[in-house]
Amino acid sequence: DVKVTQSSRYLVKRTGEKVFLECVQDMDHENMFWYRQDPGLGLRLIYFSYDVKMKEKGDIPEGYSVSREKKERFSLILESASTNQTSMYLCASSLDVSKNIQYFGAGTRLSVL
Amino acid sequence: AQTVTQSQPEMSVQEAETVTLSCTYDTSENNYYLFWYKQPPSRQMILVIRQEAYKQQNATENRFSVNFQKAAKSFSLKISDSQLGDTAMYFCAFMKTNTGNQFYFGTGTSLTVIP
Repeated sequence: DVKVTQSSRYLVKRTGEKVFLECVQDMDHENMFWYRQDPGLGLRLIYFSYDVKMKEKGDIPEGYSVSREKKERFSLILESASTNQTSMYLCASSLDVSKNIQYFGAGTRLSVL
Repeated sequence: AQTVTQSQPEMSVQEAETVTLSCTYDTSENNYYLFWYKQPPSRQMILVIRQEAYKQQNATENRFSVNFQKAAKSFSLKISDSQLGDTAMYFCAFMKTNTGNQFYFGTGTSLTVIP
């Protein structure tokens, strides 16, 4: 079974803090994704990566950055957390374009106070 | 931009009955994939079913089937013999074939199966 692991289920941070959300997959997948999930808005893509050290902006990249130093790990960084970044964050991975099923982690619920 | 619309924010169904969740999408592409994902309460999102646009035959997966109408850009999910474990948020998703796997999700339908 594919396993996508997000380091924290719940996280509480203060406004202005630098926040790291970590995601690790164990199936040698090429592609990795970060989404945020908000009620009534569905899932919105923040960033994705199709290879080590490669990244592409999604639909809502403002206020976020990412890092992919190793194939199995994709980190989402909030440089200076703000209250409007309180949300559920989902990480996903997929093998390649031909095997286009995305596998999701359990999610990190982030609260910024 | 691609848009995916789920017009039913909430639905309920009696156990053992059949329910259909609606999804429409907007695209100028001819080749693409469509998906239904399920997110049970406090649990991981998992794939329910996938449809390739170039295939006319509707996908089925046990009690789950789709009605794919390409001309109408409609992709509904039918759940037969509903079970309590089907209670979840269901998301419809669209993926172009040439975008490196970028998905576009609908806003979700919360389905409750009533005992």
